[in-house]
Amino acid sequence: DIQLTQSPSSLSASVGDRVTITCQASHDINYSLIWYKQIPGKPPKLLIYDASNLEVAVPSRFSGSGSGTHFTLTINGLQPEDFGTYYCQQYNTVPSTFGQGTRLDFK
Amino acid sequence: QIRLLQSGADIKNPGASMKVSCKASEYTFTGYYIHWVRQAPGQGLEWMGWINPVSGDTEYSQKFQGRVTVTMDMSITTVYLELSRLTSDDTAIYYCARDGVEWQRLRWALDVWGRGTTVTVSS
Repeated sequence: DIQLTQSPSSLSASVGDRVTITCQASHDINYSLIWYKQIPGKPPKLLIYDASNLEVAVPSRFSGSGSGTHFTLTINGLQPEDFGTYYCQQYNTVPSTFGQGTRLDFK
Repeated sequence: QIRLLQSGADIKNPGASMKVSCKASEYTFTGYYIHWVRQAPGQGLEWMGWINPVSGDTEYSQKFQGRVTVTMDMSITTVYLELSRLTSDDTAIYYCARDGVEWQRLRWALDVWGRGTTVTVSS
C-alpha cells in the first residue's frame, strides 16, 4: 500500500497567517491526491482534488500543489472557521489511502 | 438539497455481521459512484470500497476482501455496506460518500458525505 505522511502532525496558528501542510507519498502518485478538512463530529469536507483543483464553493484562500511524491496544501489568510484536521488521500493505487491527518488549532 | 441518509447506530457481537444503508436523494443516483470510508474512534480515515451505481461493479480494499460486500437497490436509490466476522477493530464510524466531480466517472473526489453510522463491536 502507498503510505502518505503528513507534516506537521499538528500546528497552532493565528488568524491571518499563511499555513502550509505537506503530504509525502511513499511512491509516485502523479497528481492523484485529494485534500479534506474534518471538524470533530462531522464527516470530511472536500477541499482540493487532482492535487490542485479547488472544489466548488471552497474559498480561494485554499490552494494545493505538487505532483509525484510531494504535495502541499496552503491556506493564505487563516480564518477562524479553518480549525480542524486536514487529511490527504491518494487514489493512484488501490487501496486508496489517507495520511494520518494534521490538526490545526488557533494560538 | 443533495443528501446521503445513513442508517442508525448499531451494536454487534464479535463474529456477527453488520449492514449499513445509505439512501441518496435530490440527485440522479446513477450519475455518481458511492464509496465507503470508515473512521475508528480518535483515528484517521480508511477507504473500504466503491460501487458503480449503473453496473453494480465494485472494488474493495484488499484489507477487507472476503468480509465486505457493497450492494445497491436502484429502485430506492440506496447503497448497502455489509461487513462480516466483526471484531473489536471494526468499531468505527462508517461513512458513505458520493464521488461527485464527474458524471459516471471514478474520480475519487468525495463531495457529499453521509453523517456516518457508528457501529460498536462488543460482547
